[in-house]
Amino acid sequence: DTGVSQDPRHKITKRGQNVTFRCDPISEHNRLYWYRQTLGQGPEFLTYFQNEAQLEKSRLLSDRFSAERPKGSFSTLEIQRTEQGDSAMYLCASSLYHGREATEAFFGQGTRLTVV
Amino acid sequence: GNSVTQMEGPVTLSEEAFLTINCTYTATGYPSLFWYVQYPGEGLQLLLKATKADDKGSNKGFEATYRKETTSFHLEKGSVQVSDSAVYFCALSHSGNTPLVFGKGTRLSVIA
Repeated sequence: DTGVSQDPRHKITKRGQNVTFRCDPISEHNRLYWYRQTLGQGPEFLTYFQNEAQLEKSRLLSDRFSAERPKGSFSTLEIQRTEQGDSAMYLCASSLYHGREATEAFFGQGTRLTVV
Repeated sequence: GNSVTQMEGPVTLSEEAFLTINCTYTATGYPSLFWYVQYPGEGLQLLLKATKADDKGSNKGFEATYRKETTSFHLEKGSVQVSDSAVYFCALSHSGNTPLVFGKGTRLSVIA
C-alpha cells in the first residue's frame, strides 16, 4: 500500500468554475477525512466518512462544497462556483475505526487549489 | 469548543540546541493529544501521541508529556538536527474517535 493518494496535486481554476478532487485512502481504512489548510494555519476539518456514510460536516463546508464516498473506498470533494477564498491546500486523511477508537490518521500530500 | 494554541514561529535554532515548542489546549473531557510534523514537500506525519494524563509520547528523540493540570503538551528535543527542520502541529482528538483539531503550526529551522 502506498498510503493516502490525492489527485490532482495542483489545480488552477478560474473563479466560478467547478472543481473536483479525488482521495484514495489506505485500503483497509474505513474512515476518511477532508481538511482544508491555508497559508500559516493548521488544517481545518471539513467533513468525514465512515465507510460510505458521511458522519459530520463542519460549518466551514458551505453549500457549494459536496463530498461523496459512494462505495466506501475513494472519495471526491467537489467545489461549485469557486471563489478566490477557496484557494487552499485540501488534505485527505484516513484511519481505521474499530470498537471505540480509531488508529492514527494518515494524511495524503494534498491538492493545492488556486482560484484566479 | 475544542481548540489548540501553540507558540508562533518561526523558530530558528543552531544544530544541537534544545527545542521546546509550547502547546496548550481547551477541550471537554479528556482528549488524546498529538504532535504531527510536515517536512518540506511531504504530507503530515504523526510524530508522537499521548492518550491520558501524565503519559509521555516519544519518537525520534522528541518527547511530550500530557499535563492535565496545565492543559499542556509541550514538544521537546534535547539536540536538534538540520533534518528536524519542518512545521510542527499540535492536535487533539477524543479517543481518536473525533476529527483532529489542530493548532496553527510552528515552523522550525535548524541551521548547521
